[in-house]
Order: sequence, then C-alpha cells, then structure tokens
Amino acid sequence: EVQLVESGGGLVQPGRSLRLSCAASGFTFDDYAMHWVRQAPGKGLEWVSSISWNSGTIYYADSVKGRFTISRDNAKNTLYLQMSSLRAEDTAFYYCAKASADGTGFYYFFAYWGPGTLVTVSS
Amino acid sequence: DIQMTQSPSSLSASVGDRVTITCRASQSISSYLNWYQQKPGKAPKLLIYGASSLQSGVPSRFSGSGSGTDFTLTISSLQSEDFATYYCQQSYRTPRLTFGPGTKVDIK
Repeated sequence: EVQLVESGGGLVQPGRSLRLSCAASGFTFDDYAMHWVRQAPGKGLEWVSSISWNSGTIYYADSVKGRFTISRDNAKNTLYLQMSSLRAEDTAFYYCAKASADGTGFYYFFAYWGPGTLVTVSS
Repeated sequence: DIQMTQSPSSLSASVGDRVTITCRASQSISSYLNWYQQKPGKAPKLLIYGASSLQSGVPSRFSGSGSGTDFTLTISSLQSEDFATYYCQQSYRTPRLTFGPGTKVDIK
C-alpha cells in the first residue's frame, strides 16, 4: 500500500526557515517523480514544486522560486521541501504527491497524496 | 503558464440530482485533464484522468468529457458522500500541473 506522510509543519515567524519532509513507503520511491502541492486555508490547490526520480530535473512555481528548495534522499525514501524567507502568504497545508502515469504513459496525475502538514507563518 | 477556470464556483444540489461542472483551459490541452474530489480536512482524491478515464475504485456515476479547452465533470446521480469540492488539473504542461480554482458542491 502506497503511503506518504508529511512532517515538519508548524508556526514560524516571517523571514524564517522551515524544512518539510515526506516519508514514502509501499512503492519503489526512486522510480517516481515527486511533487509538493499546497493549499492555503479555505483556498484552492497550488502546485509548488517537482523533482524527478534522480533529482536531475527540478521545477518551482514562480511564487516560491528562489526561496524554496526541493530535494530527495532515495536511500531514505524521503522527499524534502526547504522553505526560507517565509511570508504570511506561504501559510498553507503542504501535501506531497506521487507522480503517476497511466498504462499508455500519456496521462500524468497524482493518484497518491499524503494527509498534509500545516505551515503557519505569523509573528 | 496554462490558466484553468471552473464554473460554477459553487452549486447547491439535492441527492439524486445530475450535476455538471465545467473546466476551461487558457489554451488547448488536448485530453490532458484530471479531476479531483476534496472533502474538508482531507487530501484530494483522483477521480478522472485523461479527461474521461475513470480512476480505479471511483463509482461509475462520475464521468468526464471534453478535449481542447473545454471539459466537463458529470455526477449522474448525486449521493450524500459526493458533497465536496472538485478541482480540475491540466497535465499538458508537465510537471507544472496547475489546478482550477475549484467548485464546491453542497446540499440544497
């Protein structure tokens, strides 16, 4: 059974840093790209960042580029999101998601998500 | 970036109703469109991928259609467990899988 469990959220002051982790199990972690998606309380879903299976390809949303760093440790089956220079608008639930494709390889989607971890940026 | 819009932003319906939600992309995305359901306090759940393919385990009352820029999610007979928020997501411009703003379905 695929399981993703985020941790590391909490209350942090503006301008400070925080590192989120996502522990993965139930699948061959280093076969798959992974993503972070966030959701401000009461708002919609926002894709944040992605990392390929070997960390060779990384992308960020413009809203976090230069402040957030995605990484992974395939030996530990763990995905990370290092967040720095945090702002009030970064307050959100942060979800990690496993990238999947259908049998044809054409269609790409998030079939598995963690339960999320809440990051609150406030003084 | 590809922008996604949804309509309506919310709707009220009764159990047994047929419900239709529309999603529009700012450019053609072929059939690279996913639908998710999210209940309060929970992670999103994949319903439909490739515009019309039902994810394993999802009830057949859910269906998706469309291609190009205009897409539809239909719930043929709304059940009590279907009251939730629904999001579309484009997968044309991977890996930047942008979402629509959501449609909240609540009880009339």
